[in-house]
Amino acid sequence: AQSVTQPDIHITVSEGASLELRCNYSYGATPYLFWYVQSPGQGLQLLLKYFSGDTLVQGIKGFEAEFKRSQSSFNLRKPSVHWSDAAEYFCAVGQYNFNKFYFGSGTKLNVKP
Amino acid sequence: DTEVTQTPKHLVMGMTNKKSLKCEQHMGHRAMYWYKQKAKKPPELMFVYSYEKLSINESVPSRFSPECPNSSLLNLHLHALQPEDSALYLCASSQVGTAEGTGELFFGEGSRLTVL
Repeated sequence: AQSVTQPDIHITVSEGASLELRCNYSYGATPYLFWYVQSPGQGLQLLLKYFSGDTLVQGIKGFEAEFKRSQSSFNLRKPSVHWSDAAEYFCAVGQYNFNKFYFGSGTKLNVKP
Repeated sequence: DTEVTQTPKHLVMGMTNKKSLKCEQHMGHRAMYWYKQKAKKPPELMFVYSYEKLSINESVPSRFSPECPNSSLLNLHLHALQPEDSALYLCASSQVGTAEGTGELFFGEGSRLTVL
């Protein structure tokens, strides 16, 4: 069965520090992977996606993620966090050839001044 | 700016009321979704429409009734809801999955529903 695990429920980093949010997936075929961000009371905004090709993908707002098939991971990174990055982050996997998406439980990011 | 528009943004209803949530997209997407999101939880899939036909119903209670009148519109009709149905209801759209893969979900800002 398909699943997505985000091991960290909360993460606090200082403004200007680097960030890595973890995501592990379980999926039998080629995964289609996504990272979304959600500010309180808002919808989800796509940060980046991986379908195929280069395993290091660049997204909006200075975020990047690396797909590692051997580790079944798709971790999100940012070299220098801004206070406006404080939000909830969701990793998701899309099922091949079928419109179904599975979301991880989310990681809440707090940014210290 | 989101390209998926949801109305109303906030809705308060009693358990005997009938109301509807509306969603509209003009990106030419032929797959549309309803998700339910409780506080501090990930979105939970409720329904998927593909080419205006219901393709996935995740065992949602019949007090939630989806409708897809055309390729741009998606409604969620609500009747006899319970207080535990209070949540953020998110609409999303995407390309229909093909052999080349599935496109990403585009979300609206959600409708915050409170059932008294």
